[in-house]
Amino acid sequence: GQQLNQSPQSMFIQEGEDVSMNCTSSSIFNTWLWYKQDPGEGPVLLIALYKAGELTSNGRLTAQFGTTRKDSFLNISASIPSDVGIYFCAGQLRMDSNYQLIWGAGTKLIIKP
Amino acid sequence: DTEVTQTPKHLVMGMTNKKSLKCEQHMGHRAMYWYKQKAKKPPELMFVYSYEKLSINESVPSRFSPECPNSSLLNLHLHALQPEDSALYLCASSQSGGPVDEQFFGPGTRLTVL
Repeated sequence: GQQLNQSPQSMFIQEGEDVSMNCTSSSIFNTWLWYKQDPGEGPVLLIALYKAGELTSNGRLTAQFGTTRKDSFLNISASIPSDVGIYFCAGQLRMDSNYQLIWGAGTKLIIKP
Repeated sequence: DTEVTQTPKHLVMGMTNKKSLKCEQHMGHRAMYWYKQKAKKPPELMFVYSYEKLSINESVPSRFSPECPNSSLLNLHLHALQPEDSALYLCASSQSGGPVDEQFFGPGTRLTVL
């Protein structure tokens, strides 16, 4: 089946540090979405990207849709404790006559005490 | 209103029970989704309803039965579940299920099957 390679799997960072994570695939996607999920909660949409090369910011978050439409990265600047959680990338592509999300395995962000 | 609500928040059921999960959105979205999520894994798609018609069933066992009574409501009926069905069940909705949709998720129902 379709897969997204998301890295890193986990990150230990100091508060105030910048964070970067990315997703790659062999497939071309129409849309890239970045979600954050806290324990026991549903994923919350952070950023949506629609065009190749698009760079979008949401506060301290910046994400880009790769020019080949096969990859995306998410950067978080000046991390704070509430940034802790699991970040998922998801790419949307057409399968048969429907559009579905293909998910990365997630990046777990942990802030060192 | 950009919220997807799900009830109940937690559910414990025996293998012989029948229960239902409920999902509601008032964003005017015409596509609604059920996902199953195991710990430390991404969500797995189960069903998609588009304009109140079932458009995707990802080979889900018949002990899970979805229902879309109207464009705002989505139910998941559960019967004769197995312990391995214990998971977080997420509902999501999007504008139309088209190519530039954004899916918005509810908080999930934590299901435990004894």
